[in-house]
Amino acid sequence: AQSVTQLGSHVSVSEGALVLLRCNYSSSVPPYLFWYVQYPNQGLQLLLKYTSAATLVKGINGFEAEFKKSETSFHLTKPSAHMSDAAEYFCAVSDPTYQKVTFGIGTKLQVIP
Amino acid sequence: KAGVTQTPRYLIKTRGQQVTLSCSPISGHRSVSWYQQTPGQGLQFLFEYFSETQRNKGNFPGRFSGRQFSNSRSEMNVSTLELGDSALYLCASSLGGTGTDTQYFGPGTRLTVL
Repeated sequence: AQSVTQLGSHVSVSEGALVLLRCNYSSSVPPYLFWYVQYPNQGLQLLLKYTSAATLVKGINGFEAEFKKSETSFHLTKPSAHMSDAAEYFCAVSDPTYQKVTFGIGTKLQVIP
Repeated sequence: KAGVTQTPRYLIKTRGQQVTLSCSPISGHRSVSWYQQTPGQGLQFLFEYFSETQRNKGNFPGRFSGRQFSNSRSEMNVSTLELGDSALYLCASSLGGTGTDTQYFGPGTRLTVL
């Protein structure tokens, strides 16, 4: 069984400040991990994914995430928040064999000018 | 390449009715997954189809069903609608349907049950 926990359903940061969105996973097999972003009235868009290569994964729009097996974490970071980053972010874990993806509850990011 | 398209974008139904939602995946993609998104529950996996076969199913009642056609287009049907079925239904397609594949999401169908 696999699961994802996102700590903090709402996160507020000031424009220019560090963005840190937390994700912890549980998986009985080596996981594949994803971060998706959802803008209002749109579907989800992939930000980045970890598939057992480099533990530090760089994604689009300046985001990156680090896979830490010992902490079962895959936190998402961005050095400097931009107003356009305001959206909902979802962490997800996938079974490596087939397409069964489990999503976290989501974290809404608010960027304060 | 055209993205994932879902029709209709908005639906209003009454309790007891049934509804069919449609999803056209990206050309060449053979896997289609369906999710229900609600504010309290987040994204819940409904089912996944690959080459016209349902490979995985989430924990939803039998009122929720789906199918996939030979051109990979997929439909999802909900019978005997309940108020709790009001949600955004998202469809996602991927190339081969393995765990590493990136899923590409459509904009969703917003279903309101009155």
